[in-house]
Amino acid sequence: SQQGEEDPQALSIQEGENATMNCSYKTSINNLQWYRQNSGRGLVHLILIRSNEREKHSGRLRVTLDTSKKSSSLLITASRAADTASYFCATDPQGGSEKLVFGKGTKLTVNP
Amino acid sequence: KAGVTQTPRYLIKTRGQQVTLSCSPISGHRSVSWYQQTPGQGLQFLFEYFSETQRNKGNFPGRFSGRQFSNSRSEMNVSTLELGDSALYLCASSSPGHGQETQYFGPGTRLLVL
Repeated sequence: SQQGEEDPQALSIQEGENATMNCSYKTSINNLQWYRQNSGRGLVHLILIRSNEREKHSGRLRVTLDTSKKSSSLLITASRAADTASYFCATDPQGGSEKLVFGKGTKLTVNP
Repeated sequence: KAGVTQTPRYLIKTRGQQVTLSCSPISGHRSVSWYQQTPGQGLQFLFEYFSETQRNKGNFPGRFSGRQFSNSRSEMNVSTLELGDSALYLCASSSPGHGQETQYFGPGTRLLVL
């Protein structure tokens, strides 16, 4: 089942600009994670935010979580061409039978 | 530490055949999960194994099965392949910790069913 929904589905920006991706989900969660995937390869874990956290930073990444709205956002600052990839949010649902529930992803293109 | 490895990386099969995919987790990780990724359905959870026992299961038919060995390596089997089984199959390992499990993914096995 697809719980997370990313918005937008595709995003094209210039190098140096910031990129913001949003994710909404439906049920209570233990944590929410963001992953990056380059061109049909394996997923790379970017950041995990727990349900009792509101904001987290890692390098050029900033993640927010609003459990009352069941939404999260991923901000990539000062984007680079190497950031071109698909970005997925994944939720670890409380009491669920699924390990992680992924959204359909945002395809980010950073133009040099 | 070496990352998650999956073999083979590419496979071509025909309808009706069966296939076995292998996953070796990061050393020390006892949880292995499998996911199917297709353009239409996205990433979907298949099942998770922990200490040789299936702990969680997604909504897939019984043709999809798995197992885990005592060294935490895992295999996934798909019997009676259908065209719709063509997908990227991803394996992920983790070291359980309540509420903060990061999944480490392998490069995937790309299966094409003709």
